[in-house]
Amino acid sequence: GEQVEQRPPHLSVREGDSAFITCTYTDPNSYYFFWYKQEPGASLQLLMKVFSSTEINEGQGFTVLLNKKDKRLSLNLTAAHPGDSAAYFCAVSAGTNAYKVIFGKGTHLHVLP
Amino acid sequence: NAGVIQTPRHKVTGKGQEATLWCEPISGHSAVFWYRQTIVQGLEFLTYFRNQAPIDDSGMPKERFSAQMPNQSHSTLKIQSTQPQDSAVYLCASSLGDWGGYEQYFGPGTRLTVL
Repeated sequence: GEQVEQRPPHLSVREGDSAFITCTYTDPNSYYFFWYKQEPGASLQLLMKVFSSTEINEGQGFTVLLNKKDKRLSLNLTAAHPGDSAAYFCAVSAGTNAYKVIFGKGTHLHVLP
Repeated sequence: NAGVIQTPRHKVTGKGQEATLWCEPISGHSAVFWYRQTIVQGLEFLTYFRNQAPIDDSGMPKERFSAQMPNQSHSTLKIQSTQPQDSAVYLCASSLGDWGGYEQYFGPGTRLTVL
């Protein structure tokens, strides 16, 4: 079945720097991709939903890149600020059982002031 | 819209006791999911309901775990004879449907601690 590997598990950056998180997946039929943010003690909040037809997706303060050839999904937080400190999870919707979303193990981001 | 509601937020049980966790999905959402979140394993899929019917329970540990959805407004996850390794945050999520493009909306989770 689908496997999703997320790197790095922990990341510390200075305020104003970029933070880059990457997920690789195995199922070439995967079509839907998600990034979620989980602040301490809170639940997962959707950051962005990406369809396989779009390689570059711009959000507020971040960019999501999808490379289907390499089966790689990336989140780049530009000019990170302390409010971005949280756990970030990628998720991939498996091609066959589309309802079954497979999550990466998460990246704990700490933005230092 | 109150979002997905989960109760209780925290539950402490003794080894061997039963724990029942509750979830109220977002009104109008036909798909309900249960996940278990731990530091070591991350987010693990447990089970899924579509229009209250159980569709996939492939992630449920057999024998002690069971889930039900008696009506469209709530689902329960029951763990019998709880063990310390069951300690985790249990997350419920709902979505408009089970088309892969629908995002899942998560509840705040129930933190289960088994002593």
